[in-house]
Amino acid sequence: DADVTQTPRNRITKTGKRIMLECSQTKGHDRMYWYRQDPGLGLRLIYYSFDVKDINKGEISDGYSVSRQAQAKFSLSLESAIPNQTALYFCATSDPSGTHYNEQFFGPGTRLTVL
Amino acid sequence: AQSVAQPEDQVNVAEGNPLTVKCTYSVSGNPYLFWYVQYPNRGLQFLLKYITGDNLVKGSYGFEAEFNKSQTSFHLKKPSALVSDSALYFCAVSPTGFQKLVFGTGTRLLVSP
Repeated sequence: DADVTQTPRNRITKTGKRIMLECSQTKGHDRMYWYRQDPGLGLRLIYYSFDVKDINKGEISDGYSVSRQAQAKFSLSLESAIPNQTALYFCATSDPSGTHYNEQFFGPGTRLTVL
Repeated sequence: AQSVAQPEDQVNVAEGNPLTVKCTYSVSGNPYLFWYVQYPNRGLQFLLKYITGDNLVKGSYGFEAEFNKSQTSFHLKKPSALVSDSALYFCAVSPTGFQKLVFGTGTRLLVSP
């Protein structure tokens, strides 16, 4: 969905480095999410935010942190990257009202490789 | 805790034949159920959802899904498959009133010409 953008799209880094993945949206949604996708494991929720002042851990938050800088921006950080954080990372947004209630809109993903 | 099972890693079907991608769920209360599709090098796209009402839900690209409460299933179906339907399909569940989604592991659909 072009309304949800992620930067960078691809990143290769080394163990121990700090990495930030950024997500921006123009959908005007309050709710934003970070997932990681691993082959055979589907998508797993890392963090989610229901508004700028609300940050919540998902099922696999260890080793990650997030920042909600504005309604439109939600960043994911790996303070000290490790190889098992190699994955495809997705940002998503949702709106708790209207016809698209509970649907999530996904960005194109960031492919992260930690060597 | 809620969970979703997609028992088939891959489904193969010939173009023009009907297709079914299976999904079962476990959740307390009345679930919200979703299907998403992922094409290569793309994010997930919403296909359809069940919130309440008619058990047969119609969605994008000719797909439909049937909610079966007694079997806790939400199988995705299409009467006539297209080669362009080849993709990775995810079933997801959300407990009533929440917007966190729990995803299945995905099923790869391959439609042969």
